[in-house]
Amino acid sequence: GDSVTQMEGPVTLSEEAFLTINCTYTATGYPSLFWYVQYPGEGLQLLLKATKADDKGSNKGFEATYRKETTSFHLEKGSVQVSDSAVYFCALSGWTGNQFYFGTGTSLTVIP
Amino acid sequence: NAGVTQTPKFRILKIGQSMTLQCTQDMNHNYMYWYRQDPGMGLKLIYYSVGAGITDKGEVPNGYNVSRSTTEDFPLRLELAAPSQTSVYFCASSYARTGGQETQYFGPGTRLLVL
Repeated sequence: GDSVTQMEGPVTLSEEAFLTINCTYTATGYPSLFWYVQYPGEGLQLLLKATKADDKGSNKGFEATYRKETTSFHLEKGSVQVSDSAVYFCALSGWTGNQFYFGTGTSLTVIP
Repeated sequence: NAGVTQTPKFRILKIGQSMTLQCTQDMNHNYMYWYRQDPGMGLKLIYYSVGAGITDKGEVPNGYNVSRSTTEDFPLRLELAAPSQTSVYFCASSYARTGGQETQYFGPGTRLLVL
């Protein structure tokens, strides 16, 4: 079945450091891929998405490219800020459209 | 536009009590979901609905029931609360179409403590 495997955390970075959070997926057909962010005490919010191979999603300085050849959707940011401290979830929407599949989440803490 | 709203925000239940978690969306989405999130864990799907009158089980449905009488509302019922149901519950909705889904929109969550 469809699934998402996400890099284990927690991740601690200094402000202005480069961020990569790895995400790989298994799916049949042509899934859509998402990154969601959860700030402390809040629900999940969409950060970015990509709906077909080679698409790049971007938002708030974060980027991720849909790589079908490596079945990956890694999240990157060139210079993190303290305000980026949150839990990041990779997710997949399967071709059949019935369910979303979420990774286990990666906790990011950015220290000044 | 309110999006997805959930009530209550927080509740303490005694073992064996029952309660209903409310979820309403005003985006005319056909798909709605209930997830639970245990501390330090990802989301686990409890139930989902593809439209009014149609529901289906997710990964962890035991101990819960749902109904979907309208497009807007998707309540989650706990009949006999157990400590294992202590969690944060998130409702979400999306517009699903052939070939994949649009973005899921989440409510702010309900924190439930069963003692």
